[in-house]
Amino acid sequence: EAGVAQSPRYKIIEKRQSVAFWCNPISGHATLYWYQQILGQGPKLLIQFQNNGVVDDSQLPKDRFSAERLKGVDSTLKIQPAKLEDSAVYLCASSLDGFGTLVSGYTFGSGTRLTVV
Amino acid sequence: GQNIDQPTEMTATEGAIVQINCTYQTSGFNGLFWYQQHAGEAPTFLSYNVLDGLEEKGRFSSFLSRSKGYSYLLLKELQMKDSASYLCAVRDGATNKLIFGTGTLLAVQP
Repeated sequence: EAGVAQSPRYKIIEKRQSVAFWCNPISGHATLYWYQQILGQGPKLLIQFQNNGVVDDSQLPKDRFSAERLKGVDSTLKIQPAKLEDSAVYLCASSLDGFGTLVSGYTFGSGTRLTVV
Repeated sequence: GQNIDQPTEMTATEGAIVQINCTYQTSGFNGLFWYQQHAGEAPTFLSYNVLDGLEEKGRFSSFLSRSKGYSYLLLKELQMKDSASYLCAVRDGATNKLIFGTGTLLAVQP
């Protein structure tokens, strides 16, 4: 099966600019996650969607970050305006289950490496 | 609170066995995952434990003790390609969030 697709692969922007990332999950996966991974750290969950509804966005800095998942498939994550500390890899993941029943593992995309200068 | 601890770095020799430990404290528990992440790449799923005991998959095994809040990943017959970061992640039983540790960077030497 095709994996989780993300674009762009790399992005360099200046602080205070805006940026958007795109994710296409595995077909049929109802749950989609956006993670932020700062260099040398583990991924941190930013937002979780179940179909096109938000399940958890408690760690999303809502003053500058926004995300949507239209039609319950593709998702975009936007940062506006960007800060230096937003430099990280932004990982998208999807899973068949979202609520702890069958273990299918969370499949991650290759990520978008964002550098804010 | 939520806390997941793993060693930051480990070094091992090709052909040897290495054990990477993970301890966790979460408000609830609904499974523990191990992921492998090569530099610049996405994490890839290695194993999942929800019951106590050992799960074996080829050269990789993962152990869980829920009463101790402890897991380990065992890698046998190490190969150079096993050099990567190994992430321990716990699914919080209350929120179903997947919470990651900082990862253990394993260097396999000839």
